[in-house]
Amino acid sequence: GQSLEQPSEVTAVEGAIVQINCTYQTSGFYGLSWYQQHDGGAPTFLSYNALDGLEETGRFSSFLSRSDSYGYLLLQELQMKDSASYFCAVRDPGGKLIFGQGTELSVKP
Amino acid sequence: DAGVIQSPRHEVTEMGQEVTLRCKPISGHNSLFWYRQTMMRGLELLIYFNNNVPIDDSGMPEDRFSAKMPNASFSTLKIQPSEPRDSAVYFCASGIRGAQETQYFGPGTRLLVL
Repeated sequence: GQSLEQPSEVTAVEGAIVQINCTYQTSGFYGLSWYQQHDGGAPTFLSYNALDGLEETGRFSSFLSRSDSYGYLLLQELQMKDSASYFCAVRDPGGKLIFGQGTELSVKP
Repeated sequence: DAGVIQSPRHEVTEMGQEVTLRCKPISGHNSLFWYRQTMMRGLELLIYFNNNVPIDDSGMPEDRFSAKMPNASFSTLKIQPSEPRDSAVYFCASGIRGAQETQYFGPGTRLLVL
């Protein structure tokens, strides 16, 4: 089976950097994705790591270490609009995504 | 592109009634996913299709739930009979087979069963 763990909530101030961690246990692993969901909205794709290392997309970066079954999402220069829930998700060999429970990020002025 | 389209956006119904949720995926996408989201259980995959064929329906809660994809541009999720515990937000998402790590979600249907 698959299971993912991420913190339930994180608080940070505007302009700061925040890291959201995700650890996973899987019977098969094809990659780790990150999604953002604003309150009342739909999840939107942020990034995907299939290989170890850091992927950067603007203010957001995602890291993966397959040997540690660990990844993180790094958000820099935080803005108020970054307040949302962030989900890590593992893609299994069958092609489906298993989502974590989500981390609610609150950005304070 | 219009993105994934879902209807209705909101549905309020009484226990025992049939509910049908509809989804139009992004043109050219050949994978379609139905999810349910609740505070207690988070985001759960119910069923997904590749090229209109159901691949994995292990997340479908019980026989009251059924899903169809008669063609590449339309899918339905039906609940019959509905129960209060089915109240949730139901999302449809589409993607490209082989790249399912990137999924595009519709706006969701907020279902309330009284």
